[in-house]
Amino acid sequence: DTGVSQNPRHKITKRGQNVTFRCDPISEHNRLYWYRQTLGQGPEFLTYFQNEAQLEKSRLLSDRFSAERPKGSFSTLEIQRTEQGDSAMYLCASSTGQGEAFFGQGTRLTVV
Amino acid sequence: AQSVTQPDIHITVSEGASLELRCNYSYGATPYLFWYVQSPGQGLQLLLKYFSGDTLVQGIKGFEAEFKRSQSSFNLRKPSVHWSDAAEYFCAVGAWNTGNQFYFGTGTSLTVIP
Repeated sequence: DTGVSQNPRHKITKRGQNVTFRCDPISEHNRLYWYRQTLGQGPEFLTYFQNEAQLEKSRLLSDRFSAERPKGSFSTLEIQRTEQGDSAMYLCASSTGQGEAFFGQGTRLTVV
Repeated sequence: AQSVTQPDIHITVSEGASLELRCNYSYGATPYLFWYVQSPGQGLQLLLKYFSGDTLVQGIKGFEAEFKRSQSSFNLRKPSVHWSDAAEYFCAVGAWNTGNQFYFGTGTSLTVIP
């Protein structure tokens, strides 16, 4: 078990470009979460998958954001037409049942 | 609505001194409670969790936390702080009846001085 893996660790992009992040959860975990964290704040919930089904999305997840988990394993988070306000740390976590969430190292996005 | 409050934005303690980080939550059912620690530029690491049973829970790195239902609190403590404990600490509640989300506080930044 290598824990939750996120790639890339850092991404710098120009405003208006599209970016995609990947998350590989712990293999036996059926629940996968995406969070966003800005400086000085706690993680804010974006979306949640149980297996391949996306069961809940936050109002923070605008139409420019889309997340997938096609085979119930890894997940991708895409941001289209990035804006400076999208600059943040994007955290992925996974869990089993009603247990604690295990977090990845995060992807730091900077939009210039 | 579910919420977590960490009233102390920043705390400074001397190495070897005791530590208590405060956490209050609002949740309509029996909560699952967590403390996570985050070093700069890193993800979150679980320190300890409370699901049920003994209200005093032990975690990693010598941390403990006590669940007090009457006060809606889950304060984190450590009897003797080490310089390596300097980090950001987040309290979280697991809201299983609202889509399996974890709600986080805004965090407490801990500075340890020699």
